[in-house]
Amino acid sequence: GAGVSQSPSNKVTEKGKDVELRCDPISGHTALYWYRQSLGQGLEFLIYFQGNSAPDKSGLPSDRFSAERTGGSVSTLTIQRTQQEDSAVYLCASSLIRTLGSIPTDTQYFGPGTRLTVL
Amino acid sequence: GNSVTQMEGPVTLSEEAFLTINCTYTATGYPSLFWYVQYPGEGLQLLLKATKADDKGSNKGFEATYRKETTSFHLEKGSVQVSDSAVYFCALPSGGTSYGKLTFGQGTILTVHP
Repeated sequence: GAGVSQSPSNKVTEKGKDVELRCDPISGHTALYWYRQSLGQGLEFLIYFQGNSAPDKSGLPSDRFSAERTGGSVSTLTIQRTQQEDSAVYLCASSLIRTLGSIPTDTQYFGPGTRLTVL
Repeated sequence: GNSVTQMEGPVTLSEEAFLTINCTYTATGYPSLFWYVQYPGEGLQLLLKATKADDKGSNKGFEATYRKETTSFHLEKGSVQVSDSAVYFCALPSGGTSYGKLTFGQGTILTVHP
């Protein structure tokens, strides 16, 4: 089946503009994650969705960042008033949480990412 | 929360050499452990995983064993190929849970020469 897809693959924007990044998870996966990969900070967690709700937004770096998920499927990450330090690759992952014995576990599958460059 | 420490690179090997990339972890409970690989210009791909102590994950000739006594999950391959050149990340769920958001090591760049 299809994997996780993200669009656009590349986005160049000017400082101060808003951007929207899209993620289409693997069909049937209830959990969706956003991460950011940058040279200085490595791979950082941003936000986690279970269905349409976001029980963990602890990684969002500022209130300029927001995300939503609709229909338990597609998610959009929005960055308002972009800054140069927002330049990074934004990765989306999805998973299905299963129980092995009595322990819940999941395996995250990643999309190809969106490379954001803020000029 | 849980954390992972990964061997610093870069690592440069000749084709057919033996590879070890060290990964040690600190965790509450027994979360699953993962190795992800990122080939040049591509996203993260799951390489292998182990869900409990003494489990061995394997894929594409790579292996890693979940060692509770040494809190390690070292990645090994007996004979590397040029096509294995990539960045390798060790990861585990953070926050003291057995699933959910991942915390990653800093990544190890592997370059294999013919």
